[in-house]
Amino acid sequence: AQSVTQLDSQVPVFEEAPVELRCNYSSSVSVYLFWYVQYPNQGLQLLLKYLSGSTLVKGINGFEAEFNKSQTSFHLRKPSVHISDTAEYFCAVRMKAAGNKLTFGGGTRVLVKP
Amino acid sequence: GAGVSQSPRYKVAKRGQDVALRCDPISGHVSLFWYQQALGQGPEFLTYFQNEAQLDKSGLPSDRFFAERPEGSVSTLKIQRTQQEDSAVYLCASSLKTGTTEAFFGQGTRLTVV
Repeated sequence: AQSVTQLDSQVPVFEEAPVELRCNYSSSVSVYLFWYVQYPNQGLQLLLKYLSGSTLVKGINGFEAEFNKSQTSFHLRKPSVHISDTAEYFCAVRMKAAGNKLTFGGGTRVLVKP
Repeated sequence: GAGVSQSPRYKVAKRGQDVALRCDPISGHVSLFWYQQALGQGPEFLTYFQNEAQLDKSGLPSDRFFAERPEGSVSTLKIQRTQQEDSAVYLCASSLKTGTTEAFFGQGTRLTVV
């Protein structure tokens, strides 16, 4: 079984400041890793994913994440946030070997202040 | 349609009432997933279809929950004798095929049981 822990439930940040959202996972098998964003009253939108290869993954809207196998982490970063980045962010994993279901963390709410 | 469509967007049900939630996946998408998202939490997997076959229903919380996808396209999630703990947002997602392809999410149906 897999589990995902997002250590911060809320992250307030000023506009144009950097932000890092932490994600750690636990799994007995190899997994794919994802970050999704959810704007109010919307579904989930994929920001980026790690399948294999380079451990630094770049996504949409200027976000990037780094896979660290030894620390079982997949932290999300953005060097300079905008007001429009205010949303909830979910880290998720999916088994490589079989099955397609995503296991999500509890989410991190990012509030960007002017 | 251009994306995954779910209806209704909002549903208020009296405790004990049966409800049916509809999901129209992206045309041609083979895989379809249902997730339940309680307030302030990450989505949790309910069930998975590949075409019309329900391959995984391990996440359905009780036998009051039933999902179908009879023609391999539209799916319906039915909840019988709703209870207050069923109040949540129900998200549907589809992907083109199994494997590493991205899952696209609908906007969800917010179910409130009173």
